[in-house]
Amino acid sequence: DTEVTQTPKHLVMGMTNKKSLKCEQHMGHRAMYWYKQKAKKPPELMFVYSYEKLSINESVPSRFSPECPNSSLLNLHLHALQPEDSALYLCASSQLSRTGELFFGEGSRLTVL
Amino acid sequence: AQSVSQHNHHVILSEAASLELGCNYSYGGTVNLFWYVQYPGQHLQLLLKYFSGDPLVKGIKGFEAEFIKSKFSFNLRKPSVQWSDTAEYFCAVNARIDTNAGKSTFGDGTTLTVKP
Repeated sequence: DTEVTQTPKHLVMGMTNKKSLKCEQHMGHRAMYWYKQKAKKPPELMFVYSYEKLSINESVPSRFSPECPNSSLLNLHLHALQPEDSALYLCASSQLSRTGELFFGEGSRLTVL
Repeated sequence: AQSVSQHNHHVILSEAASLELGCNYSYGGTVNLFWYVQYPGQHLQLLLKYFSGDPLVKGIKGFEAEFIKSKFSFNLRKPSVQWSDTAEYFCAVNARIDTNAGKSTFGDGTTLTVKP
C-alpha cells in the first residue's frame, strides 16, 4: 500500500465535462507533483508544488489546472480534455531534502471519450 | 537538462537467472540516482537510490546498483531473479541543484518478465 492516496481510481469523461482528480498525503512532505503516464512509457512531469506554491509547470495545456489547497492535498482540475489526454495520472510527494525521492500514489486512470 | 537512457526495453529471464539492467544518464553536474519499480497493477515505488558515499547501493528484495561516475552509469543487478520480480523498472535522475524543485527525469523503462 502507498501512503499517497488518489481518487478516483478510474474516470471516464467526455470532452465537454469538468472533473477533478484528488491526491492526499500525510507524510509531512512539502513537495507534491502531478505526472502523466501513457502505457509502456515513463512518467512525464506536469506540475510541481513546493510549500503549496506552484514551482514548475512543464508547459502543460491550460485545460489542466492544478491546485494545492494545503500541504496535504493536491488537485488536478480537468476541463475540455481531448482523447489524447487519456492516460494514468500519478500524484507523488517528496521531502524537500538532498535526495528528493518520490512517493507515488496508485494513479487515476482517465479515459476521455 | 538531464537525460536518462535505459538500454533494454524488454528482458525475459528464467527464475534463478542473474539480472543486470543498464542505465546511463547525461548531466554535467552532481546527480541523485534512483531505480523505481512498478509491479503489475501496483504503484511506482522506490527500489533503491544513490546520492553520496559507497557507490554500491543495496535496495529492497535483494537488488543492488552500482554508480560508476566515469561511465555515467547506474546499472541495476540481482544475482537470482524470482517470478515475483516481473515488473517495469525505471531508472531516474535528478540534478542535485534541482532537488528542491523535484524535477526527476525518468528513462523509458525496462519490462522484466521472469518465467517460472
